[in-house]
Amino acid sequence: DTEVTQTPKHLVMGMTNKKSLKCEQHMGHRAMYWYKQKAKKPPELMFVYSYEKLSINESVPSRFSPECPNSSLLNLHLHALQPEDSALYLCASSQEWPGQGNHEQYFGPGTRLTVT
Amino acid sequence: GQQLNQSPQSMFIQEGEDVSMNCTSSSIFNTWLWYKQDPGEGPVLLIALYKAGELTSNGRLTAQFGITRKDSFLNISASIPSDVGIYFCAGPHYGGATNKLIFGTGTLLAVQP
Repeated sequence: DTEVTQTPKHLVMGMTNKKSLKCEQHMGHRAMYWYKQKAKKPPELMFVYSYEKLSINESVPSRFSPECPNSSLLNLHLHALQPEDSALYLCASSQEWPGQGNHEQYFGPGTRLTVT
Repeated sequence: GQQLNQSPQSMFIQEGEDVSMNCTSSSIFNTWLWYKQDPGEGPVLLIALYKAGELTSNGRLTAQFGITRKDSFLNISASIPSDVGIYFCAGPHYGGATNKLIFGTGTLLAVQP
């Protein structure tokens, strides 16, 4: 089973709202990732968690706040977003990071976020 | 920084035709991954390649790890409408604290029944 689940599927929020995106995997993977993807572009890495610790923050604005409560869950807390933050937000997981010998990342279906 | 270029950028073909696309880099990769992304969905891993010269199949899909280690190829035989989507190649970049997957620019495939 290579399933990564994400909720919600769609989210519309105002610029003053606070919302959270959720991601879950039960493959025993110890690395989890958040990506942002604009239409017809490749995914852009935002954050990497390895063994529940933040390992990479790709200079993401503080209005995006990641959290890894346990090895199966990953959250992305959103606050005071801008319209340009509207995008598809993807969660992914892999066995390890940086993945010596196995770099396969498995993606969830994404959350389509619209900021109004 | 490292960049992966995919060609063609887009393809419009008839159902039943074979498809070829490639991914090239200016530097060496030791792994190539091929993903397919349907509209509004997350990328799905199709094939992983770990050895130069390796040829791996997954149903109608065949991918090859180029012997120079700077390119990879994906072929789809006898295309069907559900092959429609964007195909991304990806490879790991080791940059000390910034190890991450580098994604290609993508190839958009449209299949006309």
